[in-house]
Amino acid sequence: DAKTTQPNSMESNEEEPVHLPCNHSTISGTDYIHWYRQLPSQGPEYVIHGLTSNVNNRMASLAIAEDRKSSTLILHRATLRDAAVYYCILRDSGGGADGLTFGKGTHLIIQP
Amino acid sequence: NAGVTQTPKFQVLKTGQSMTLQCAQDMNHEYMSWYRQDPGMGLRLIHYSVGAGITDQGEVPNGYNVSRSTTEDFPLRLLSAAPSQTSVYFCASSLQFRGTEAFFGQGTRLTVV
Repeated sequence: DAKTTQPNSMESNEEEPVHLPCNHSTISGTDYIHWYRQLPSQGPEYVIHGLTSNVNNRMASLAIAEDRKSSTLILHRATLRDAAVYYCILRDSGGGADGLTFGKGTHLIIQP
Repeated sequence: NAGVTQTPKFQVLKTGQSMTLQCAQDMNHEYMSWYRQDPGMGLRLIHYSVGAGITDQGEVPNGYNVSRSTTEDFPLRLLSAAPSQTSVYFCASSLQFRGTEAFFGQGTRLTVV
């Protein structure tokens, strides 16, 4: 799977929107963009995924650049419960070894 | 639904001891996998299974064995524990091989002394 680059940490205020960036300049045409988050002392939790078009679900929105070399996870109104490490992961829909390739992610800090 | 259940939650082993970490899912998922997470790091894939009777190695398989005799269960065996295996272990499952959403257990925190 291709590599992603995320900031080590970001800070935001409660009840404000949060934009978490991810660069994936070597993305291939068959790579899906997945986001997971990990709350303290818990297992990772699926957030959202997309291929080319922007995606929305109850947790977040995913904005994908037109050239697909970057994407942004948007939390529309952050709460203290959103404080977590957020991982941006590319998953090839084709062959090769399976599994999710986790980097170090972005540590999101929410200030009350 | 319980989702993915891991037992035990905590374990301390002495070097050289063996043990089995249990993982069970009740979602009828074909794909299951094991990861380890060391402090301050992302998760690394140990072994995975695309269905009952089929397993394969991930990124860091040495020192671990797996088997998949049923769809529901995917135990991870440590053959002879070493301090380097001190880590938090996560089991995950998804509906299909390369399924879109993976569900993770709460983890097993293992310390080898």
